Amino acid sequence: AQKITQTQPGMFVQEKEAVTLDCTYDTSDQSYGLFWYKQPSSGEMIFLIYQGSYDEQNATEGRYSLNFQKARKSANLVISASQLGDSAMYFCAMREGVGTGANSKLTFGKGITLSVRP
Amino acid sequence: NAGVMQNPRHLVRRRGQEARLRCSPMKGHSHVYWYRQLPEEGLKFMVYLQKENIIDESGMPKERFSAEFPKEGPSILRIQQVVRGDSAAYFCASSPRTGQGLSPLHFGNGTRLTVT
Repeated sequence: AQKITQTQPGMFVQEKEAVTLDCTYDTSDQSYGLFWYKQPSSGEMIFLIYQGSYDEQNATEGRYSLNFQKARKSANLVISASQLGDSAMYFCAMREGVGTGANSKLTFGKGITLSVRP
Repeated sequence: NAGVMQNPRHLVRRRGQEARLRCSPMKGHSHVYWYRQLPEEGLKFMVYLQKENIIDESGMPKERFSAEFPKEGPSILRIQQVVRGDSAAYFCASSPRTGQGLSPLHFGNGTRLTVT
């Protein structure tokens, strides 16, 4: 089974509106972290936000928030007040074994393309 | 504080040649990860190294690929006898030492390898 699933086709949003990018995950670990990265057309990977599995509150970082629903194993990214510069690929990723002393790898989903319309 | 530095940014090699990709982690980071990204796909883990140690190479192809992170100098991903299927973007990432498992990986800008 895939660890990280991002199944939405290309997403479109009108400038200044909010958009939700879906991510579901699969793990048997109790302690894990979930991350979102942005990859614009220039190609670099930009870290946006993370959520720890034991965090009781949803993470927020400026216009980004993470809608974490642990029972459903989902970690959706919400971008508020979309801007033209938000057009990019967005990747959800997971790190397992957190807190065990291991510094384990990130496992990425296939990504979602977001296009912001003026 | 300089970020993760990768060079070259673009690399063109003919089939059968060797490709060497370099990565200098962020200052204070002693863990390095290499990922490969094929067009229109996500990042696939290749190898995780600490200084002078390979910790996890479960994503490395069995042949032609090798990685090192010496005591001094950058981490090197080496691809011998490249084939067209090796054409991809190769990303390096770094993180602080063990015990900070929630820290994100900080990525370099990648090396785009084209095999002609």
